[in-house]
Amino acid sequence: QVQLQESGPGLVKPLEALSLTCTVSGDSVSGFFWSWIRQPPGKGLEWLGFVYYSESTEYNPSLKSRVTISMDTSKNQFSLKLTSVTAADTAVYYCARVTGGSGTTFGVFDYWGQGILVTVSS
Amino acid sequence: DIQMTQSPSSLSASVGDRVTITCQASQGITNYLNWYQQKPGKAPKLLIYDASNLQTGVPSRFSGSASGTDFTLTISSLQPEDIATYYCQQYNNLPYTFGQGTKLEIK
Repeated sequence: QVQLQESGPGLVKPLEALSLTCTVSGDSVSGFFWSWIRQPPGKGLEWLGFVYYSESTEYNPSLKSRVTISMDTSKNQFSLKLTSVTAADTAVYYCARVTGGSGTTFGVFDYWGQGILVTVSS
Repeated sequence: DIQMTQSPSSLSASVGDRVTITCQASQGITNYLNWYQQKPGKAPKLLIYDASNLQTGVPSRFSGSASGTDFTLTISSLQPEDIATYYCQQYNNLPYTFGQGTKLEIK
C-alpha cells in the first residue's frame, strides 16, 4: 500500500520560504511522477507542480518562479520550496502520486498524503 | 489555462436519490478528466479516471460519462457516506486544473 506523509513547519513568516517534505512508503519515488497540490481554507484545489525521473519538473505558471520541487531518492522523499510567501499562500498542502490513466499521459492523482496546514503570518 | 466549470456548486438530496454533477471544460480535453471526493478534513480521494473508469475499490454506484467538453459524475443511489465535496480535474494540458467543487448534502 502506497502511503505519503507531509512534514514541515506549520507557520511561516511573510516573505520567507515555505519548505515541505513528502515521505513515500510502499513505492519508489524514482518510478513515478510526484506532485504538490494546495487548498486554501474553504476553497478549491490548485496544482503546484510535479517532479519525475529525479530531476525533471513541471510547474504551474501561476506561481511564476517561486516554486521548486525536488526529489531525494536515497530517502524516498520529494520536497516543495515556495519562496517569498504571503498570506495568500496559507493553505493545506498535499503531496500526491501522479499516474497515467488508461493511456500514457500522466495526470491522475491516485494516492494522497493527509495534508499539512501551513499558515503565513508574522 | 483550461477552465473547469462545475455545476451545481451545492446540492441537497435524499438518501436513495440519483445525483448528477456536471463539469464543463473550456476547450477539448479528450477524456483526460478525473473525479475526486473530499470529505471534511480529509485529502481528496480518486473516484473516476479518464472520464468513466472506476478506480479500484470505489462503489459501483459511482459512474462517469463524457459528451464533448461536458462530463458527468452520477451517484445512482445516494448513501449517507457520500456526503462530501466533489471535484473534477483535467490533465489534457498543463497546468492541471480543477473545478471549483460541488458540495453534496443530505436533505
